[in-house]
Amino acid sequence: AQSVTQLGSHVSVSEGALVLLRCNYSSSVPPYLFWYVQYPNQGLQLLLKYTTGATLVKGINGFEAEFKKSETSFHLTKPSAHMSDAAEYFCAVKENSGYALNFGKGTSLLVTP
Amino acid sequence: DTGVSQDPRHKITKRGQNVTFRCDPISEHNRLYWYRQTLGQGPEFLTYFQNEAQLEKSRLLSDRFSAERPKGSFSTLEIQRTEQGDSAMYLCASSLPAIQGLLAKNIQYFGAGTRLSVL
Repeated sequence: AQSVTQLGSHVSVSEGALVLLRCNYSSSVPPYLFWYVQYPNQGLQLLLKYTTGATLVKGINGFEAEFKKSETSFHLTKPSAHMSDAAEYFCAVKENSGYALNFGKGTSLLVTP
Repeated sequence: DTGVSQDPRHKITKRGQNVTFRCDPISEHNRLYWYRQTLGQGPEFLTYFQNEAQLEKSRLLSDRFSAERPKGSFSTLEIQRTEQGDSAMYLCASSLPAIQGLLAKNIQYFGAGTRLSVL
């Protein structure tokens, strides 16, 4: 079954610093991968997705992620953190034979002034 | 496009009571999903509808949980005889039909969720 592991439940960065949130996947077939963001008391908003094609994926709010098959990774980055980026970030993989998204446990991003 | 709508946003109930949550998907989306999210965890898939057909329900947490989508539009999730362990955020998501293209049907759009507290 497809699954993802998010390394680091909490990440703290200074405003303007690089954001790096790690996600590794487990899949026996080419995966469909997603990053979602969740602000307090809100649902999940899609940041970006990888299905096929270009391995560097650009999303909203300046985020991007690179699919690396050799490393089974799909890390999320942003060159310069903004205070408004503080939120919970979830990596997810779609089950190839089904309909569900399997989510990681999430990484809470804190941005300090 | 008004997004996925869930009602109520918050529900407080006593143990043993039944609760029902409603989800209205994005209007042209025929696929609908329910997830549960507990504190500090990612969402956990519960069930899936394509139009009015419930194609996956084996991952509903117990027989106290049931879901319906009678006319292929809105859906309800019911929990009978609630327990304190049912306290969680219940999220609904929807996606486009397969005919819209492979990429489109794999993108799930989430509602704001219903937060359930069982006392």
